[in-house]
Amino acid sequence: EPEVTQTPSHQVTQMGQEVILRCVPISNHLYFYWYRQILGQKVEFLVSFYNNEISEKSEIFDDQFSVERPDGSNFTLKIRSTKLEDSAMYFCASSEAPLGNTIYFGEGSWLTVV
Amino acid sequence: QKEVEQNSGPLSVPEGAIASLNCTYSDRGSQSFFWYRQYSGKSPELIMSIYSNGDKEDGRFTAQLNKASQYVSLLIRDSQPSDSATYLCAVPPSGGYNKLIFGAGTRLAVHP
Repeated sequence: EPEVTQTPSHQVTQMGQEVILRCVPISNHLYFYWYRQILGQKVEFLVSFYNNEISEKSEIFDDQFSVERPDGSNFTLKIRSTKLEDSAMYFCASSEAPLGNTIYFGEGSWLTVV
Repeated sequence: QKEVEQNSGPLSVPEGAIASLNCTYSDRGSQSFFWYRQYSGKSPELIMSIYSNGDKEDGRFTAQLNKASQYVSLLIRDSQPSDSATYLCAVPPSGGYNKLIFGAGTRLAVHP
């Protein structure tokens, strides 16, 4: 069964460093997303991406964050100048179509900022 | 602010019983509704989607939707210890937004 894959599964970084989280969405999917989940809290939407541009972003997704699809398969989330409160599980997800279509999640990248 | 509310639990049921999980949402215009299961430290896994009022059954799972009451539920029949997880209700907001708003989840514990 096709799946969304993410790397790394766990990353520890020092405060102030830049982090890049990588994702390979399901191959025939056109819509890509990043969500995050701080330990013990809700899954929160960060950003959606379609046709090589951001289609929507939350208030969490400020100038510290950026996304990119550098080639035909990868989808990345860059977090600049990490803060302690960025420590969370980051989930990449993809879907064939938008607006309520089924979204499939990757296994997540656990980011710890120290 | 669009909200999705769930009782955090834990909901404890004996093996073989029916587990009933509930979710309310604030956005009256929402049209699709999803239930995800999340094991501790893992990613959300889609269990069911429902779009129309009424019941939708898939194996041991039944989703129920009542748009007038802004209420969606998930029934798990013949609960198994492997069903022990957090169940997340997720709703895309109306207005063409391509995202899911998640509830905080209900933790289900099925004991032998």
